[in-house]
Amino acid sequence: EVQLVESGGGLVQPGGSLRLSCAASGFTFSSYWMHWVRQAPGKGLVWVSRINSDGSSTSYADSVKGRFTISRDNAKNTLYLQMNSLRAEDTAVYYCARGRVGARGGAIDYWGQGTLVTVSS
Amino acid sequence: EIVLTQSPDFQSVTPKEKVTITCRASQSIGSSLHWYQQKPDQSPKLLIKYASQSISGVPSRFSGSGSGTDFTLTINSLEAEDAATYYCHQSSSLPETFGQGTKLEIK
Repeated sequence: EVQLVESGGGLVQPGGSLRLSCAASGFTFSSYWMHWVRQAPGKGLVWVSRINSDGSSTSYADSVKGRFTISRDNAKNTLYLQMNSLRAEDTAVYYCARGRVGARGGAIDYWGQGTLVTVSS
Repeated sequence: EIVLTQSPDFQSVTPKEKVTITCRASQSIGSSLHWYQQKPDQSPKLLIKYASQSISGVPSRFSGSGSGTDFTLTINSLEAEDAATYYCHQSSSLPETFGQGTKLEIK
């Protein structure tokens, strides 16, 4: 069974940093592209970032470019999102999600339960 | 950035009714359009990939069509459990984007 379990969310002050983790199991993690998608309270889904299967290629939404860094450790089956210079508008549930095997693009077929990040003083 | 515009934003429907949700892309995305269902306090669930490809385990009353810029999600014979918000998503070009969502209420 595919499982994606996020952790690391919490309350942080504006300008602060947080690192999210996503532990993957039930599939060959190193074969899949992975994504982070966020959802502000009561709002819609917003794509944040994606990383290819070996970690050599990353992409970001303009709203987080230069502040967030996606990475992965295939030996640990774990996806990360380092978030720096956090703003109030970054407040959201952050979902770890599985993309396509071996190629960019494609549907997101599994989602974690999400971890809430709240940026507030 | 490719903008996805869904319509309607909200629809109140009765069980057994047929529902159609549309998603229009601001430029052609081929068939790189996917549909998700999100129920309250749950994570999204993939319903349809690549505009019309069915997903194992998803009821057959859900179907998708379209290509280029205009896409449709159809729910035949709506059931009470289909109350949810539905999103389209394009993976054709960066940044990947989602539609604003369509909330379905069951009367």
